[in-house]
Amino acid sequence: GAVVSQHPSWVICKSGTSVKIECRSLDFQATTMFWYRQFPKQSLMLMATSNEGSKATYEQGVEKDKFLINHASLTLSTLTVTSAHPEDSSFYICSASADWWGVSTEAFFGQGTRLTVV
Amino acid sequence: TQLLEQSPQFLSIQEGENLTVYCNSSSVFSSLQWYRQEPGEGPVLLVTVVTGGEVKKLKRLTFQFGDARKDSSLHITAAQPGDTGLYLCAGASMGGTSYGKLTFGQGTILTVHP
Repeated sequence: GAVVSQHPSWVICKSGTSVKIECRSLDFQATTMFWYRQFPKQSLMLMATSNEGSKATYEQGVEKDKFLINHASLTLSTLTVTSAHPEDSSFYICSASADWWGVSTEAFFGQGTRLTVV
Repeated sequence: TQLLEQSPQFLSIQEGENLTVYCNSSSVFSSLQWYRQEPGEGPVLLVTVVTGGEVKKLKRLTFQFGDARKDSSLHITAAQPGDTGLYLCAGASMGGTSYGKLTFGQGTILTVHP
């Protein structure tokens, strides 16, 4: 299957700083990328959908200015957690899918990024 | 808003027992995926079901998609400790422009004791 690489796998940052997480599709062009947040022993919560070259669509309750998403190319999307606070500590996961002639592929998931804000 | 109700949320069983996890919704999905996730890793796709009434088998795992494409089940036969993990069902939206957008169930934490 297609490979989606997420970097870094884990990061620890100080409260008030910003952290950038990258999501790359290594062997296919991702028309759409999705960002999820996951708390321990819970399911994935969709934060936003990003399409290459356009603004991300955020789910209700997700702060756009807090979680900046950029999808500048068909193989790279980034999530920047701005002015991070301890409550932002979580597991962040991206997924990517391609659109071939109006038919979507399955979503391929990255390995996730564990963010700890101290 | 599409919702997927997954049950049970927790399952603790002995090795060799059988179990079933359910996912139910009032919405119709174009397809439904089942994932298994280990701590600190991303979800790994187990199977995708597309056709109403479809049944797929993956070794000791049997997946069913309801006739109306609103519900699905995962049955594991003779569970083993290696089956321990978080199991997630996810439904893919019908139509729209957000291809690959998934609605996840709450997840089932399965623990299989030796």
